[in-house]
Amino acid sequence: GQQLNQSPQSMFIQEGEDVSMNCTSSSIFNTWLWYKQDPGEGPVLLIALYKAGELTSNGRLTAQFGITRKDSFLNISASIPSDVGIYFCAGLTGANNLFFGTGTRLTVIP
Amino acid sequence: KAGVTQTPRYLIKTRGQQVTLSCSPISGHRSVSWYQQTPGQGLQFLFEYFSETQRNKGNFPGRFSGRQFSNSRSEMNVSTLELGDSALYLCASSLPANTEAFFGQGTRLTVV
Repeated sequence: GQQLNQSPQSMFIQEGEDVSMNCTSSSIFNTWLWYKQDPGEGPVLLIALYKAGELTSNGRLTAQFGITRKDSFLNISASIPSDVGIYFCAGLTGANNLFFGTGTRLTVIP
Repeated sequence: KAGVTQTPRYLIKTRGQQVTLSCSPISGHRSVSWYQQTPGQGLQFLFEYFSETQRNKGNFPGRFSGRQFSNSRSEMNVSTLELGDSALYLCASSLPANTEAFFGQGTRLTVV
């Protein structure tokens, strides 16, 4: 399968700080998705991006679909304790295959 | 609108047994995909079903199989369970265009 390199692997930040994580691939994707997963639960869709260069916000979350279609980033502003969890990027190919990044584990220190 | 429902939530089986997991997609979603999630391997794609047909398949042995019914509900089966099959099994559903995939809460399978 295709490799999605997600970084950083983990982050420890103070409450109120901004967070940035990104995902890169050697392959082109038609759609980029960002998910958050809490322990023992399924991933929850946060943001979907459909066009190269697209910048989309969902509350304190902002994500961008890279111009080359091979990367995407997610920013979280003014982090709060409930932002804790694992964030996954996912890329969807034209053949309807969804590939996931390795995840970024976020810890927010109150 | 109800989300994706997976049953059961937790399951303990012994080596050599077989297991069947169930997934009910969001109403109107006809594509159902299955994933295995382990700490070491992350989210690994198992297979995708659309209109009762397997449309895509990941790199898993033949012990892993699935099917989809006419109401889009899906089941996956694992035969001859091994210890390494212990994982969180996730199901995701999406519309026919397969853009945004929505996940269920998963079934935590423990093989002892």
